[in-house]
Parts: sequence; C-alpha cells; structure tokens
Amino acid sequence: ILNVEQSPQSLHVQEGDSTNFTCSFPSSNFYALHWYRWETAKSPEALFVMTLNGDEKKKGRISATLNTKEGYSYLYIKGSQPEDSATYLCAHSHTDKLIFGTGTRLQVFP
Amino acid sequence: DAGVIQSPRHEVTEMGQEVTLRCKPISGHDYLFWYRQTMMRGLELLIYFNNNVPIDDSGMPEDRFSAKMPNASFSTLKIQPSEPRDSAVYFCASSLWAQGYGYTFGSGTRLTVV
Repeated sequence: ILNVEQSPQSLHVQEGDSTNFTCSFPSSNFYALHWYRWETAKSPEALFVMTLNGDEKKKGRISATLNTKEGYSYLYIKGSQPEDSATYLCAHSHTDKLIFGTGTRLQVFP
Repeated sequence: DAGVIQSPRHEVTEMGQEVTLRCKPISGHDYLFWYRQTMMRGLELLIYFNNNVPIDDSGMPEDRFSAKMPNASFSTLKIQPSEPRDSAVYFCASSLWAQGYGYTFGSGTRLTVV
C-alpha cells in the first residue's frame, strides 16, 4: 500500500485568511493526484485531477499545484469563507485505484 | 444524471444479521469502487470493479464481506454475519476511467450494528 500523507490534520482560520495544505505521496510510478472536498454529512466531491509535473489548477478561490518529482501537492484557498469549511482529501492514483489520505479538516470562523 | 445512488441511507441491524448495501453507478462509468469510512483509517478501499469484473478485493476485511456486480448498473456489498466493528459509513463511487477522471461518490450508507 502506498501511503498518502496530509498535513495539517486540522486547521482553524478566520474568515478572509488565506490558507494552504500539503499532500505528500510516493513519487515513483506516478499516475495522477486528486483533490476532493468533503463536507460533513455529504459525499466527497472532486475538485482537481492533476497528472503532469508542474500542473496548476484553479477553481474560484481554490488552487492546487503538483510536484511529481518530489511527491507533493499544495492546495491553496485564498480569502477563506465559512462555506469553505470541510475536509479536503487528496488521493494518489495507484494503478486503477485511488489511495486516499486522511484529509485536512478546515474550519473557517466568521 | 442522478449521480451515484446508494441505498439504504441508514441501516441499523443487530449483530449476526446479514446486511446488504446497494449501489447504482453513473451510466457509462466503467469503474465502481466500494469504500468504508472510519475514524481510524479515513476512506479505506474495500473492492473495485472494472466492467463488472472484480479487480482487487484485497481491502475486504474478511470473509464476512462479499461484493458483486451482476451488471453495469448495479452492485451490492454484503456483510454476513455483521458485527459491531463493521459500523461505519460505506461509500460507493464510480468513474469513467480511473486514471484521469475524478470519482463520483454516492451519498453513503451509514451502518450501525448493535
């Protein structure tokens, strides 16, 4: 099993703060790196799928970067809002299946 | 498309009973995954299918767990007999092609075994 590590485990920020999380994954045999947003009592929703070293993806105030050589990805949220509160999961493609990290739980206070 | 549909949403059962969880993937998706969410392990892959064929069931905890996909639009995860430690949220997800596309998850089934 190829481990995916995420940090921090949890994060509390004030509305308007910008924040970022880290996902580290095995750099060998890389296929793709996925980011998901998971709100409480809902199901995970795909944010980004990144496949190339140097990839940068953006959706509104959320963006992500990828470094496949060193095995890490960053997720950035600019100007956090209370509705951004969720667990952010990253997952590494290993053959046909995704191996998920345990997530970063973000709480944004108004 | 209605997305990935799981049923039931909640299941409470007594220890020793058989439990069957159901999943309808998105039409046209050729991969189907069963995950279990626990506090200790987060999202844990149990088994996945490609074109209705089980590819990897190494995550199935023990022989009490079994999964089938009789056709492209239906899959079941069965636990027999159920035990309290099986209590968790079970998610089904489908994907068009696992490498380059995100998964679409169902709403999950919250299982409580008492």
